[in-house]
Amino acid sequence: SQQGEEDPQALSIQEGENATMNCSYKTSINNLQWYRQNSGRGLVHLILIRSNEREKHSGRLRVTLDTSKKSSSLLITASRAADTASYFCASGPYSGGGADGLTFGKGTHLIIQP
Amino acid sequence: NAGVTQTPKFQVLKTGQSMTLQCAQDMNHNSMYWYRQDPGMGLRLIYYSASEGTTDKGEVPNGYNVSRLNKREFSLRLESAAPSQTSVYFCASQKDRTGNTIYFGEGSWLTVV
Repeated sequence: SQQGEEDPQALSIQEGENATMNCSYKTSINNLQWYRQNSGRGLVHLILIRSNEREKHSGRLRVTLDTSKKSSSLLITASRAADTASYFCASGPYSGGGADGLTFGKGTHLIIQP
Repeated sequence: NAGVTQTPKFQVLKTGQSMTLQCAQDMNHNSMYWYRQDPGMGLRLIYYSASEGTTDKGEVPNGYNVSRLNKREFSLRLESAAPSQTSVYFCASQKDRTGNTIYFGEGSWLTVV
């Protein structure tokens, strides 16, 4: 069964606005990662948050993790047209951290309107 | 630095034909992975190689075989292609299995008719 599930499935906002995407998972995790996929391209790693962390920042990205609710959110501030992409969360239940232990969600398709 | 390179980019096969997807990484990574991505679904792991000389099944291995040719290369073979194997295939690599960043190739679009 899918470990990570993103919400919403699709999101369309105006350039300059903030975009928030959520991810829920089912079992205990060691870490949770967010990836971006531009149309027709491979996935690109954005940020990793470990189970003992609550918030992490990277540039215009802010990720939160609530292990009590088994959920994470990705916030993109001051969105740009180049942020148009699909965003996936991947959660890892294994302490080893191998990608074979990751389960990817179905993704949120984000469209930034100019 | 090319990262993860996979070929071919696009391929159309007839049912029953065989083919091999090639993948190579130039980052000296120990672990390599093959995923498939279908519309409306997340990535699903087909096979992986934790280190040179080892391969293991992932979530959806049926109909596929893999070879870890050396540390750089990890190929995925479809022995007798079926329409259900129409998908986008991604190769990925990771320095080792301790939570490092995973690097993905650009994808291979495979259609089986």
